[in-house]
Amino acid sequence: AQTVTQSQPEMSVQEAETVTLSCTYDTSESDYYLFWYKQPPSRQMILVIRQEAYKQQNATENRFSVNFQKAAKSFSLKISDSQLGDAAMYFCAYRPLKGGGADGLTFGKGTHLIIQP
Amino acid sequence: GAVVSQHPSRVICKSGTSVKIECRSLDFQATTMFWYRQFPKQSLMLMATSNEGSKATYEQGVEKDKFLINHASLTLSTLTVTSAHPEDSSFYICSAKVPGTAGGYTFGSGTRLTVV
Repeated sequence: AQTVTQSQPEMSVQEAETVTLSCTYDTSESDYYLFWYKQPPSRQMILVIRQEAYKQQNATENRFSVNFQKAAKSFSLKISDSQLGDAAMYFCAYRPLKGGGADGLTFGKGTHLIIQP
Repeated sequence: GAVVSQHPSRVICKSGTSVKIECRSLDFQATTMFWYRQFPKQSLMLMATSNEGSKATYEQGVEKDKFLINHASLTLSTLTVTSAHPEDSSFYICSAKVPGTAGGYTFGSGTRLTVV
């Protein structure tokens, strides 16, 4: 079974600085998707960024980028120019490519990101 | 964008009663929906996968008679917590795969269930 591990229960960063959230996973699959989701106090899950494992290029979305290391099964999220609105729980998630979307996501335990003004 | 509407957002019920939570895809057809449970300050745990027109698939350890799932149409899935007890109090979130997106999912806004 696949597992997702987030080893940082809480991270704090100064506004406008850069922070990196860690995520490792374990799977026997060769093709899969990895995700970072943000959950603000409203508890609405918001997709931050998505990476297809078969793509070597790291995904980027504006201030958010990932460092995907397939051999090491590592998928970290870098947030540049941190803003107060980035404060939230961040969850790393995984699902296998096969199944055509019939599989739910496996989530890590989350990292609580605090932005210091 | 693809939107999933989940209702109610909050519900308080008495122990022993049943509660129904609805998850509706507003602008797309969802053949598959997922139900998650989230305890306070914890992660989302997949409970079951809801398939339109067929029986739901439950994760190991989830009581199918306790958590009844119905997916009668391409836009609606319901989760009924039967004979609720205080330990069923939790945050329940539904999700659906968005057609035409590589691996994309959208989530409902969640339901906070409190059993007293």
